[in-house]
Amino acid sequence: NAGVMQNPRHLVRRRGQEARLRCSPMKGHSHVYWYRQLPEEGLKFMVYLQKENIIDESGMPKERFSAEFPKEGPSILRIQQVVRGDSAAYFCASSPDLTFSTDTQYFGPGTRLTVL
Amino acid sequence: DQQVKQNSPSLSVQEGRISILNCDYTNSMFDYFLWYKKYPAEGPTFLISISSIKDKNEDGRFTVFLNKSAKHLSLHIVPSQPGDSAVYFCAASTTGFQKLVFGTGTRLLVSP
Repeated sequence: NAGVMQNPRHLVRRRGQEARLRCSPMKGHSHVYWYRQLPEEGLKFMVYLQKENIIDESGMPKERFSAEFPKEGPSILRIQQVVRGDSAAYFCASSPDLTFSTDTQYFGPGTRLTVL
Repeated sequence: DQQVKQNSPSLSVQEGRISILNCDYTNSMFDYFLWYKKYPAEGPTFLISISSIKDKNEDGRFTVFLNKSAKHLSLHIVPSQPGDSAVYFCAASTTGFQKLVFGTGTRLLVSP
């Protein structure tokens, strides 16, 4: 059973460009979460999605950031007009249907975004 | 506003000894707590969790203790092994809200 997959693993962008980060959840998981880790900090929640729905985006910056989880295909975190402060590791996690609200989130390896 | 705190950025122990990692939280609405382990350039890996209705949960060498009145939890690893060397994150959540709130991590080094 393949784990959570993220690509690319490393992404370099110049200021003002767009960054697209992709996440494929574990098989059978229909819930996806995005977290960001700045250097020397813990992971910070960004957004929680189910198929075709954004459930909680309370951690998303108000501008330039968007996320989607279409019916088919991976979840995408999109950052427009990147700035140096966007440089971080972005982790995706997935969990199964929430039969129990405490279902564990399983994390992917992350995408390390560097903005030059 | 750091709702989950890990005040020790690093911990060094010898192989075979006990490692104790600590975590404090401020939000009394948290009712589920998890520990994750993270190696460099990898994502966090789930280790063990505990619900607020319990005060202890054990899984092999790993035991988590929860003291709700003190808003404190700890992870005990015994015996510690060199392969346990990693960064350990404490995380918390509230029923009905799926987001995890993470601490800043404690880097554990287990020396042979």
